[in-house]
Amino acid sequence: DQQVKQNSPSLSVQEGRISILNCDYTNSMFDYFLWYKKYPAEGPTFLISISSIKDKNEDGRFTVFLNKSAKHLSLHIVPSQPGDSAVYFCAAKTSGTYKYIFGTGTRLKVLA
Amino acid sequence: NAGVTQTPKFQVLKTGQSMTLQCAQDMNHEYMSWYRQDPGMGLRLIHYSVGAGITDQGEVPNGYNVSRSTTEDFPLRLLSAAPSQTSVYFCASSYSRGGWNTEAFFGQGTRLTVV
Repeated sequence: DQQVKQNSPSLSVQEGRISILNCDYTNSMFDYFLWYKKYPAEGPTFLISISSIKDKNEDGRFTVFLNKSAKHLSLHIVPSQPGDSAVYFCAAKTSGTYKYIFGTGTRLKVLA
Repeated sequence: NAGVTQTPKFQVLKTGQSMTLQCAQDMNHEYMSWYRQDPGMGLRLIHYSVGAGITDQGEVPNGYNVSRSTTEDFPLRLLSAAPSQTSVYFCASSYSRGGWNTEAFFGQGTRLTVV
């Protein structure tokens, strides 16, 4: 029972263009959502998060959008850079708990 | 400032052997957890702890034991290793900030192979 789903295993984008990574969730109790970036042989590193009271959060080139009615969030990277090539995981949790539930990841490749 | 430290980085075990994966954090975080990463499966929660002396099961707890005797350490024990436990294991810690949600911090991982 996958509560957090990333249906695109991989994505390729040209340098300078926009990368859009998608994530769907099924548990309506989730109210905090995060994106992590992972390079090979390293641990995941936190990128950006959003609370369910917002529908958008921006940090530099990274913006996360949340559509609660559709139970969908997306990560936009503009402009994409070759250093952004990594696996991106979305995660979700419910306030008051400390269980972060992760998706299966999307491998982003930014082509120079 | 070491953050979350995992040892060892690599390990090869024979089926049936036992071992302990170590995890330590120096950020005074209350919450610690163990995940395993497998191809196509993402990061799956094995066990977690909300403080010293308190642990609970995650999504895939079978074959693993944990204990939390101090805030800093959260070891993961494999009682009798099986090939299905071949994976990359990540330890993470997090904290509460006045009731607000925060992110989890991850270690570098332990790559375990069971033959």
